[in-house]
Amino acid sequence: KAGVTQTPRYLIKTRGQQVTLSCSPISGHRSVSWYQQTPGQGLQFLFEYFSETQRNKGNFPGRFSGRQFSNSRSEMNVSTLELGDSALYLCASSLAQANTGELFFGEGSRLTVL
Amino acid sequence: QKEVEQNSGPLSVPEGAIASLNCTYSDRVSQSFFWYRQYSGKSPELIMSIYSNGDKEDGRFTAQLNKASQYVSLLIRDSQPSDSATYLCAAGGSQGNLIFGKGTKLSVKP
Repeated sequence: KAGVTQTPRYLIKTRGQQVTLSCSPISGHRSVSWYQQTPGQGLQFLFEYFSETQRNKGNFPGRFSGRQFSNSRSEMNVSTLELGDSALYLCASSLAQANTGELFFGEGSRLTVL
Repeated sequence: QKEVEQNSGPLSVPEGAIASLNCTYSDRVSQSFFWYRQYSGKSPELIMSIYSNGDKEDGRFTAQLNKASQYVSLLIRDSQPSDSATYLCAAGGSQGNLIFGKGTKLSVKP
């Protein structure tokens, strides 16, 4: 059974640009959550999607957005990139709502903003 | 108080010893708790979940939950160098999300 796939794995952008990250969940999983991981702040919740609807959103500015498609694949977008957006962005899929705890993480997309 | 707090470590134990990892939580989280392990350069993976007061054992791992004191712990018996990783405590959030602590880095010395 294929795991959670995230693309691209690495990317470098400059301030002011925008970026789109993609996540394909495990087959059959309808919930997709996104997290930002940095050494200083740890894993911080961005948002969760279930059946194409955003169910929850963390405390991030509106520059961070996402969506989920009918096949459960999800994308997140960050516009007007800032240096502080440099981080590992992790996607996780689950069968049920994210707070059940059984999240399966992808390998992440490492974003560097110069 | 943050919703989920952990001592960042690093925690260093000799091979074969018991490693004890601790986590405290606030009233703002639900009563579902999880331990994830993250190896350097890898993504987190679930190793234990606990929902009721008391101990839950799985092989060399024991999770302990004390709701009165609002703490969760993970004990690793007979620690091995392969257990060296960052251990993340997580709790269910009120909005349906999963809230993570910053993690405790464990180093098991041969």
